Amino acid sequence: LAKTTQPISMDSYEGQEVNITCSHNNIATNDYITWYQQFPSQGPRFIIQGYKTKVTNEVASLFIPADRKSSTLSLPRVSLSDTAVYYCLVVGNDMRFGAGTRLTVKP
Amino acid sequence: NAGVMQNPRHLVRRRGQEARLRCSPMKGHSHVYWYRQLPEEGLKFMVYLQKENIIDESGMPKERFSAEFPKEGPSILRIQQVVRGDSAAYFCASSLTTGYGETQYFGPGTRLLVL
Repeated sequence: LAKTTQPISMDSYEGQEVNITCSHNNIATNDYITWYQQFPSQGPRFIIQGYKTKVTNEVASLFIPADRKSSTLSLPRVSLSDTAVYYCLVVGNDMRFGAGTRLTVKP
Repeated sequence: NAGVMQNPRHLVRRRGQEARLRCSPMKGHSHVYWYRQLPEEGLKFMVYLQKENIIDESGMPKERFSAEFPKEGPSILRIQQVVRGDSAAYFCASSLTTGYGETQYFGPGTRLLVL
């Protein structure tokens, strides 16, 4: 079962780019890397998923190096509303959440 | 297309009572997952069900907790004889299929408070 490690918390300011890195040294060949966002009192919301290299959507980018032992979620030009907990998951035949990274965006 | 729906959103029970939490998956989804979240903690997997079958209940406490996903109707997470330690947010998620890379979509959760 692949375990993930990510920073407990991060602070940023409005308009900055935020990069959150996740380590997953034991990732298996068929596993995907998925990121979720959770606001207080809400369920997690899917942000982005990737297998290798780079994936980009309207919300974020996900960078995965060739060895796939880590991944970086990049949020361009964050705003106050991006303050949330961000979870990195390695999704194979099951899905396990870690403690996540609590991102605080300041004005 | 409605998302995952959970009810009630808030539930208050006294110790020893039963709590029933309901989850209606997204239209067309036949895979349902239940998670529990304590304050300031991540989500903990409890159980994974398909229609009429429990596939993985490795995260579910052996006593007092049960789950079902009948052929018709919502999935139900049932907690008998609740204790204060059961107070938490319970989230349900659904997916279209299962397996590597499958995305789960979450409901808004039910917040259970045991007095």
